[in-house]
Amino acid sequence: QVQLQQSGPGLVKPSQTLSLTCAISGDSVSSNRAAWNWIRQSPSRGLEWLGRTYYRSKWYNDYAVSVKSRITINPDTSKNQFSLQLNSVTPEDTALYYCARELAAAGTGIDYWGQGTLVTVSS
Amino acid sequence: QSVLTQPPSASGTPGQRVTISCSGSSSNIGSNYVYWYQQLPGTAPKLLIYRNNQRPSGVPDRFSGSKSGTSASLAISGLRSEDEADYYCAPWDDSLSGYVFGTGTKVTVL
Repeated sequence: QVQLQQSGPGLVKPSQTLSLTCAISGDSVSSNRAAWNWIRQSPSRGLEWLGRTYYRSKWYNDYAVSVKSRITINPDTSKNQFSLQLNSVTPEDTALYYCARELAAAGTGIDYWGQGTLVTVSS
Repeated sequence: QSVLTQPPSASGTPGQRVTISCSGSSSNIGSNYVYWYQQLPGTAPKLLIYRNNQRPSGVPDRFSGSKSGTSASLAISGLRSEDEADYYCAPWDDSLSGYVFGTGTKVTVL
């Protein structure tokens, strides 16, 4: 059974960096079958896919166009986790953030989700 | 604003069939698999349909998906009270090089 445990601050000041971590159990961040995603949800923007990282002999990242200039998703193989960094945040980045696993190699969708972290951008 | 359009709401009485549409374009639904997610109040989304019409283990066969051209549909037959939730379609979009989510449809069981 795969479990994803999110951690990180719930309050970030405008112009600063939002940082969240997703610890994986029951699978490996280096899996050749999986991709590790970040998705957020807010009343104004709905569900919004932010990006993913995955390993296929080397590491790859895909990022949403809307945040491409501000986002970094990194794997941490030593701790079997992955992280999200979103720079220069504004109140528009206030949302519930989810990490999630996708069995990308099989095309079977995003099947496991973290518990969600509510991040508020405010001074 | 999403590139995928869903009706904001749908409803039915217990036992009825409800269908939710998802309208997209050639860069998303027209050329990629469609996934459907169910989100119960206060919980994370749950995978309901993958590869247009496949159900993960544990998803009742009351849920079915289909795709035609640049549109997709989710049908719920034998509607039950526990089906009250928000439903989202989500294909990959080749132009945006990422997943896109539909606007979401709230299903109410009357």
